[in-house]
Amino acid sequence: GENVEQHPSTLSVQEGDSAVIKCTYSDSASNYFPWYKQELGKRPQLIIDIRSNVGEKKDQRIAVTLNKTAKHFSLHITETQPEDSAVYFCAANSNSGYALNFGKGTSLLVTP
Amino acid sequence: EPEVTQTPSHQVTQMGQEVILRCVPISNHLYFYWYRQILGQKVEFLVSFYNNEISEKSEIFDDQFSVERPDGSNFTLKIRSTKLEDSAMYFCASSEGWDSSYGYTFGSGTRLTVV
Repeated sequence: GENVEQHPSTLSVQEGDSAVIKCTYSDSASNYFPWYKQELGKRPQLIIDIRSNVGEKKDQRIAVTLNKTAKHFSLHITETQPEDSAVYFCAANSNSGYALNFGKGTSLLVTP
Repeated sequence: EPEVTQTPSHQVTQMGQEVILRCVPISNHLYFYWYRQILGQKVEFLVSFYNNEISEKSEIFDDQFSVERPDGSNFTLKIRSTKLEDSAMYFCASSEGWDSSYGYTFGSGTRLTVV
């Protein structure tokens, strides 16, 4: 299946700082890139997504950027809060469109 | 907000036994999926299902796995002869559109422990 690489695997920031998580994908047919937040023992929850016809999307403190040429996309969280602490997964859709291929996750810790 | 419901939340089974994991997708959704997540690892696609047929499956989804929509509301994943490495959290998801860009809604998961 398609490879989605995610970095870093862990990220620790102080409350109020920004956090950036980066992903790369290999399949040029991918056109949908969601980000999920997963708290311990809970289901992944969609926090933001971007489609290939858009370069950037913002929703309050969260933004996602996409560089289709370089096959990179990134999640930016500004003014981080302790409740942002969770594991964040990026994903890219498969060339069939049905499946999502996930990155390995970034464990974000926001310290007060 | 509509939810995808999964039962049971936790199942313990002996190696070699069959297990059936159950899901009730959101009522107006037509596309259904199973994913699994081994503890501490990424979420992995198993299978997608539409109109009573598998539309895509991964290499993980071998002959030991099967899916079924036995009635108008349930969507099940069966593992015929469980192995220790099948221990994982299994997530069901549904969407209203034909591809993942419509957005999935994940269920709360079933933690399967094979002993």
